[in-house]
Amino acid sequence: GIQVEQSPPDLILQEGANSTLRCNFSDSVNNLQWFHQNPWGQLINLFYIPSGTKQNGRLSATTVATERYSLLYISSSQTTDSGVYFCAVERYNFNKFYFGSGTKLNVKP
Amino acid sequence: DAMVIQNPRYQVTQFGKPVTLSCSQTLNHNVMYWYQQKSSQAPKLLFHYYDKDFNNEADTPDNFQSRRPNTSFCFLDIRSPGLGDAAMYLCATSSPGTGYGYTFGSGTRLTVV
Repeated sequence: GIQVEQSPPDLILQEGANSTLRCNFSDSVNNLQWFHQNPWGQLINLFYIPSGTKQNGRLSATTVATERYSLLYISSSQTTDSGVYFCAVERYNFNKFYFGSGTKLNVKP
Repeated sequence: DAMVIQNPRYQVTQFGKPVTLSCSQTLNHNVMYWYQQKSSQAPKLLFHYYDKDFNNEADTPDNFQSRRPNTSFCFLDIRSPGLGDAAMYLCATSSPGTGYGYTFGSGTRLTVV
């Protein structure tokens, strides 16, 4: 199966700081999504981004499909950004989503 | 709003007593998935339905089964829950080729006592 690696595994930020989370994957993909898992366990879709760059408020993401990585940028972090961020990918014609191990973010006031 | 709904939000079951978790969707997506997530781990795919076609992951225990009676509903049956089956169970849907990605429900947290 495809390997999905996320870094860093843990991240502690002071409120207001910026951060970059990385996702590397081992094969070509036709789907890549970033999720935020809230304290209640729900996976909130942040970006559907198999390639290119997207922005949504303080968050943005870039996927370089040819180099098999994606980056999630969080600017001016807030305590509500705390939680686990997952990258998940789907290979062509596989109809299966493979998750990375996640980055646990703790934003301190 | 179109969404994926899981019931119940929390489920407590006795060791060895069969339990069923449910998932419904209003998105009309043709693929539905069940994931298991244990504490501090990534979600793990158990199986999925592509329309009526059932696809089981090789390492999914036989104790876990699924039913999809129609496009909107999918059920996860755990025949004889063990303590190791306590986890969050997440349902997701997708419609390949539409560019909308995966949508997850809010999950059912299963406790086995």
